[in-house]
Amino acid sequence: QKEVEQDPGPLSVPEGAIVSLNCTYSNSAFQYFMWYRQYSRKGPELLMYTYSSGNKEDGRFTAQVDKSSKYISLFIRDSQPSDSATYLCAMSGPSGSARQLTFGSGTQLTVLP
Amino acid sequence: NAGVTQTPKFRVLKTGQSMTLLCAQDMNHEYMYWYRQDPGMGLRLIHYSVGEGTTAKGEVPDGYNVSRLKKQNFLLGLESAAPSQTSVYFCASRPLDNPGTEAFFGQGTRLTVV
Repeated sequence: QKEVEQDPGPLSVPEGAIVSLNCTYSNSAFQYFMWYRQYSRKGPELLMYTYSSGNKEDGRFTAQVDKSSKYISLFIRDSQPSDSATYLCAMSGPSGSARQLTFGSGTQLTVLP
Repeated sequence: NAGVTQTPKFRVLKTGQSMTLLCAQDMNHEYMYWYRQDPGMGLRLIHYSVGEGTTAKGEVPDGYNVSRLKKQNFLLGLESAAPSQTSVYFCASRPLDNPGTEAFFGQGTRLTVV
């Protein structure tokens, strides 16, 4: 079993829809949770970052972490065609562990105009 | 500010050939990483370095070697390339352990082994 599981999709939605992306994990030592966005033939870029449990909002994006369920989510409101990309969840352990990132397999999202 | 630069961007190798991928960062970051990305597998850590002169194995280190002789450079070597090493390789760097710091990625190297 992988440490981080992510539905690979692909996911196709109409413009303006609310998108929900999710990951589950098995390692209870993970404390830092991130979402990276990767456009085609580009390197991943950090989209959202959350420490421990809770919610974080940034414009149209909301990241949620539920450590008790080992479940994280990314919500995209009013989705735009420019949001079409692969979204990767990533997690890392406590300080001092070289902060290696463990990635999910990525969900490919297409927002149709 | 170039960030993280990978060289080359594309390469085709024959089975058994060797090559070195170069990663250079100009942000004075301590940590550097090499990942490979395959369809349905996400990013998997090959090797990483926590500082100049240090390296460590990641999740999938077999068939690869690395060196970090200078803080700004992290080299990934394939001694005898195999078709299973066909992949997209990403280098990343991040500063010293500090909550909220992100990893910065290069643009990737697309390697095909025939």
